[in-house]
Amino acid sequence: GENVEQHPSTLSVQEGDSAVIKCTYSDSASNYFPWYKQELGKGPQLIIDIRSNVGEKKDQRIAVTLNKTAKHFSLHITETQPEDSAVYFCAASTDSWGKFQFGAGTQVVVTP
Amino acid sequence: DGGITQSPKYLFRKEGQNVTLSCEQNLNHDAMYWYRQDPGQGLRLIYYSQIVNDFQKGDIAEGYSVSREKKESFPLTVTSAQKNPTAFYLCASTPAPMDTEAFFGQGTRLTVV
Repeated sequence: GENVEQHPSTLSVQEGDSAVIKCTYSDSASNYFPWYKQELGKGPQLIIDIRSNVGEKKDQRIAVTLNKTAKHFSLHITETQPEDSAVYFCAASTDSWGKFQFGAGTQVVVTP
Repeated sequence: DGGITQSPKYLFRKEGQNVTLSCEQNLNHDAMYWYRQDPGQGLRLIYYSQIVNDFQKGDIAEGYSVSREKKESFPLTVTSAQKNPTAFYLCASTPAPMDTEAFFGQGTRLTVV
């Protein structure tokens, strides 16, 4: 089955700097790659997603890139702010029922 | 407001007891899911349901049971057979088979005392 690895497990950045989180997946049939943000004590919320027919997608300060050949995708957050502090999860899906395989998560801490 | 409601937010269980976690959605979504979250392990799928009166086991279904009698409700029972039930439980839903964005509830933290 699908296996998703996520790095790093923790990331500390200075406010205003950029943050990058990387994920690799094993199943070449995966075709949907969402990123979720989870704040303490809450459920994850989708922040951006990308499908296998697209190489890059951007939404304001957040961008995701996908390299299908290398089977990895990355989340980029520019001009980080304290409210970006949270746990971020990547996921990969091989079918249409939203049955994702999640990465282990990255704790991002943005220090003022 | 549309969304997914999980209750209770915190739940304490004595060893040997069964407990049921509630999940209700008013998004008119077809599919619903239960995930378990442990520190450093991401989210693991327990059960999912594509339609009323039908559900399938996920990766870690042992010690859990579910029902789907109504489209908007997908309760999870943690049975006494689950050896390590202390965890954060998340319910999610998706609008249709071909739409894969998942909407999550706020979670239930279960602690065995």
